[in-house]
Amino acid sequence: DIQMTQSPASLSASLGETVTIECRASEDIYNGLAWYQQKPGKSPQLLIYNANSLHTGVPSRFSGSGSGTQYSLKINSLQSEDVASYFCQQYYNYPFTFGSGTKLEIK
Amino acid sequence: QVQLQQCGAELVKPGTPVKMSCKVSGYTFTSYVISWIKQTTGQGLEWIGYIYPESGSTGYNEKFKGKATLTVDKSSNTAFMQLSSLAAGDSAVYYCAIGWARFAYWGQGTLVTVSS
Repeated sequence: DIQMTQSPASLSASLGETVTIECRASEDIYNGLAWYQQKPGKSPQLLIYNANSLHTGVPSRFSGSGSGTQYSLKINSLQSEDVASYFCQQYYNYPFTFGSGTKLEIK
Repeated sequence: QVQLQQCGAELVKPGTPVKMSCKVSGYTFTSYVISWIKQTTGQGLEWIGYIYPESGSTGYNEKFKGKATLTVDKSSNTAFMQLSSLAAGDSAVYYCAIGWARFAYWGQGTLVTVSS
């Protein structure tokens, strides 16, 4: 199985800041990567797919980048509603696997 | 709009099965694959498998073969997942979601608690 290593596990930032979350795959996943946001008590929501494509309705302050085994999610101008856990997921190969998550809080 | 409505929480005894439902609306049920995902505090998110409602064809994570069985009822636009021989490690929130590989829309989740 492809292992997805996500960092950091938790992150605290101020409103208006830019934050970056990293995800490393145990092998090349050829941009078969999605990012999800999960707010407390809610189900995950798709933010980014194909490593850098914004899902419908997702604010443009979210962006994804990367290639090969290294990927990142960037959130510009952090808002209070961005408090959530963020997960990466590879879908290049079976079984599809997720990162362990990054919990984002406001400082 | 697209909605996936999952059944309520289940409290089940060890060794027994559970069958949960996911009723979809807002799109043509047979057009998109439905996947199921498990979430626990310890193991995080795990992909269980998918079903294509039009044909009933399925694909499973090897880890969940023999544990999960995915079916659909096209007449009611509902997908089902049965989990067999439940054990403590099966306690989790189970989500249905639209999509085969990436999951664009999710249900609200069904909490399954396995306890005697």
